[in-house]
Amino acid sequence: GNSVTQMEGPVTLSEEAFLTINCTYTATGYPSLFWYVQYPGEGLQLLLKATKADDKGSNKGFEATYRKETTSFHLEKGSVQVSDSAVYFCALAGGSYIPTFGRGTSLIVHP
Amino acid sequence: DTGVSQDPRHKITKRGQNVTFRCDPISEHNRLYWYRQTLGQGPEFLTYFQNEAQLEKSRLLSDRFSAERPKGSFSTLEIQRTEQGDSAMYLCASSLAEGGFEQFFGPGTRLTVL
Repeated sequence: GNSVTQMEGPVTLSEEAFLTINCTYTATGYPSLFWYVQYPGEGLQLLLKATKADDKGSNKGFEATYRKETTSFHLEKGSVQVSDSAVYFCALAGGSYIPTFGRGTSLIVHP
Repeated sequence: DTGVSQDPRHKITKRGQNVTFRCDPISEHNRLYWYRQTLGQGPEFLTYFQNEAQLEKSRLLSDRFSAERPKGSFSTLEIQRTEQGDSAMYLCASSLAEGGFEQFFGPGTRLTVL
């Protein structure tokens, strides 16, 4: 079956540091890929998405590129802020794919 | 657009009781999903509907769980004879069947089985 694997957290960074959260997936074919974010006390919300190979999704300074050859969709941000502290979920979905989420990676950003 | 809503937000019940949760999706969305999430885990797919048709159900889903979406709008998730292992956050999400497949999540219903 399909699966999504994320790096374990928590990831702890100082403000303005560079962020990478790794995500790899296993699926037949080419699903759409997503990053969702869950801020403390809130529900999941879409952060960015990519629907085909080599697409780059971006939002709020975050970016992720759909890499077919490495089956990866790593999340990056050049300079994190305290307000980015949240749990980040990588997911695949689309068409006939059952939505599949990773376990989530907690990000803690210190001032 | 009021987003996805879920009711109740919290439910405490005793083992063996039945519980029912409701989800109201974004009005123009034809797909509706139910997930279960436990601490430190991502959402685990339970089932989804396209309009009123239940198209997929997780093989891991016990027969004690049943979901309906009778008119293709709101949906209910019922758990019969609850067990302590059912304690979790139950999430509902909706999306369009065409297009980007991004899902919009509700705030969840937290179930505690004593």
